[in-house]
Amino acid sequence: DTAVSQTPKYLVTQMGNDKSIKCEQNLGHDTMYWYKQDSKKFLKIMFSYNNKELIINETVPNRFSPKSPDKAHLNLHINSLELGDSAVYFCASSQIDQYGYTFGSGTRLTVV
Amino acid sequence: AQSVTQLDSHVSVSEGTPVLLRCNYSSSYSPSLFWYVQHPNKGLQLLLKYTSAATLVKGINGFEAEFKKSETSFHLTKPSAHMSDAAEYFCVVSPNYGGSQGNLIFGKGTKLSVKP
Repeated sequence: DTAVSQTPKYLVTQMGNDKSIKCEQNLGHDTMYWYKQDSKKFLKIMFSYNNKELIINETVPNRFSPKSPDKAHLNLHINSLELGDSAVYFCASSQIDQYGYTFGSGTRLTVV
Repeated sequence: AQSVTQLDSHVSVSEGTPVLLRCNYSSSYSPSLFWYVQHPNKGLQLLLKYTSAATLVKGINGFEAEFKKSETSFHLTKPSAHMSDAAEYFCVVSPNYGGSQGNLIFGKGTKLSVKP
C-alpha cells in the first residue's frame, strides 16, 4: 500500500503543451510538497501546502500551479511546457512535529 | 540561512570496505539533519535522521551518522560496503523552528560506487 503515490511515472510531451502530475498520500500528513530534481540530481523545493493552504512558494514560473483539493492530494499543473521543464518531480508529505519526509517515487517529465 | 555541503561528488569503495560520505552544514537554528538515498531511477528513501536527541544516529542497512556541532558535520558511515549500497546519497538540513519543520534543503549528492 503506497504511502505517497504519484502519477504518471513517466511523461513525454511536446513544448507548449499543458500537463498535470497527481500526488496522493495515505499517511494522514498535514503538509505536502513538490520538489524538482534537475539533470545534475540537485533537488529543490517548489511548493509546500499545509492543510490545503499554500505556505511555501519558491521562485517558480507562474506556468506552474499547484492545486490541493484536500490535504491528501497535491497536484501540479504546468502550462506552456518548455524544454527546461524537463526534470524529475517529486511529491512528498510530512506531519508537523514528526521529523522526516516521505517521498513519492517521482515523475520523470521530458519535454521535446 | 541554512545550507549543506557534501564534500565529495563521487566516492568509490570496494565491497567489504568502510564507507565515509562527508557532509557539512550551516544553520542559524538548531537543525534537523537527514540522509536520504536514491537508487537509480528510484525515489528517495530516508536512511536516518538527527533531531537533537542522541548525536550518534543509527539508520537502516547498517548506516550511521554522527552529529558534531563543533565541526558542523554530519558524516555518513558504514563499516562494510555491499554492492547494493551503490546509489546517490543526499545530506539534508531542515531548520528546526521550535519543533516545527521548514522545507528541506538538499546537498548536491554523493554518488557511491561499490567495486566487487
